[in-house]
Amino acid sequence: AQSVAQPEDQVNVAEGNPLTVKCTYSVSGNPYLFWYVQYPNRGLQFLLKYITGDNLVKGSYGFEAEFNKSQTSFHLKKPSALVSDSALYFCAVRVSSNTGKLIFGQGTTLQVKP
Amino acid sequence: NAGVTQTPEFQVLKTGQSMTLQCAQDMNHEYMSWYRQDPGMGLRLIHYSVGAGITDQGEVPNGYNVSRSTTEDFPLRLLSAAPSQTSVYFCASSSRYGLSDIQYFGAGTRLSVL
Repeated sequence: AQSVAQPEDQVNVAEGNPLTVKCTYSVSGNPYLFWYVQYPNRGLQFLLKYITGDNLVKGSYGFEAEFNKSQTSFHLKKPSALVSDSALYFCAVRVSSNTGKLIFGQGTTLQVKP
Repeated sequence: NAGVTQTPEFQVLKTGQSMTLQCAQDMNHEYMSWYRQDPGMGLRLIHYSVGAGITDQGEVPNGYNVSRSTTEDFPLRLLSAAPSQTSVYFCASSSRYGLSDIQYFGAGTRLSVL
């Protein structure tokens, strides 16, 4: 079965420090992977995606993600965290090319402290 | 450009009542989906549609109905509300063309069933 796992419910980091939010996946075939962010009382917003090509993908707000096929991971990273990055982050994988269906991880709350 | 619009923003129902959550998009997207978000469970797919007149079930379809008579609208109907349907509901849309695959989300409907 195809699935996405985010092993950490919450990640705490000090402002200015690097951050990593972890994601692992299990899919058949080549994975199409996504990161979305949700701010309080808002819908999800697209951050970045990996389809093919370079393993390091750059996205919005200075975020990037590293695709690692051997470890089936797609971790979200940022070199220097901001307090405004505090939000709920979701990893997702596309499970069907004909329907656009996504499976989401359970989400990781990122807390950046001043 | 309004994107994806959901109404109402908040709703309180009594057990057994029925209601329709509205979703409209103005991007001419073929794909539309309904998710529910519950703490610690991420987003779970309820129903989805790949175009007008075509719908299918997701992970958690029981107790919900959908229809897609136009490209723009994708309403979600609760037939007989139950407390277990207390949740935040998100509608999303995406284009089937190109390598976009990006889903655009509405702001959500926060539903309480008493």
